[in-house]
Amino acid sequence: KAGVTQTPRYLIKTRGQQVTLSCSPISGHRSVSWYQQTPGQGLQFLFEYFSETQRNKGNFPGRFSGRQFSNSRSEMNVSTLELGDSALYLCASSLAGFQETQYFGPGTRLLVL
Amino acid sequence: AQSVTQLDSHVSVSEGTPVLLRCNYSSSYSPSLFWYVQHPNKGLQLLLKYTSAATLVKGINGFEAEFKKSETSFHLTKPSAHMSDAAEYFCVVTLNTNAGKSTFGDGTTLTVKP
Repeated sequence: KAGVTQTPRYLIKTRGQQVTLSCSPISGHRSVSWYQQTPGQGLQFLFEYFSETQRNKGNFPGRFSGRQFSNSRSEMNVSTLELGDSALYLCASSLAGFQETQYFGPGTRLLVL
Repeated sequence: AQSVTQLDSHVSVSEGTPVLLRCNYSSSYSPSLFWYVQHPNKGLQLLLKYTSAATLVKGINGFEAEFKKSETSFHLTKPSAHMSDAAEYFCVVTLNTNAGKSTFGDGTTLTVKP
C-alpha cells in the first residue's frame, strides 16, 4: 500500500496570507490527524477527522481549520498567517482512531516571512 | 486527562552500548502507549506499541519497552546501539476510547558516538 502523502512538501508564505495543506491517507484509513511540530513547542495536536467529521480538536486558534472528504483525504487551512505558524505540519492516518497505529506522512514545511 | 513526560531531552551513547530512553505517563483510564522515531527531515515511524496485552513489547530494529503500571513508566531500551539509531524519539499516550486523542512527549534526541 502507498503511504501517507502530503502536498506540498515545502511552502513559503508571507504574513497575512492563507495556506491550504493536503493529506492523502493510506487506503482504507478513515481517521486523519494533523500535528504542528516546532523546535520550541514540540509536537502539538491540531485536530482529528473521522468519516468527514471533526472528532477531536487541540488548543489552536480558529485560524486553523480542516476538513475531510468522502475519500478520507484531508485538507488543513491556516488563515491570516503569522510568523509563529512557521513549522512542520504532519498528517497521520489510522484505521479508526488513536489507539491504533498512526502512520505519518513526511510533512509539509511551512515558512512564513 | 493524560500526560506524558520524557525524562531526558538528550541521550548520548557509544555505538554498541545499551540505550535507555525514559518515559513516564499519567492517565485516568487504561492507556495505549507508543514509541515513535523521527529521523531528520522525515515523518514519524512507529517503533512499538502497548495496548494492554503483554507488558514487554518488542518493536522494530531491536527496540523493546516494558509497561510498568506501578511505576507509570514505559521506558524504551535496546541492548546495543547502532549509528543508524541516531534520531528523535517520542513517547505517546492515548486513552483507550474512540474519542481519545494522542498526547506526545517532548521528545528525546539520541546521539550515537562511534
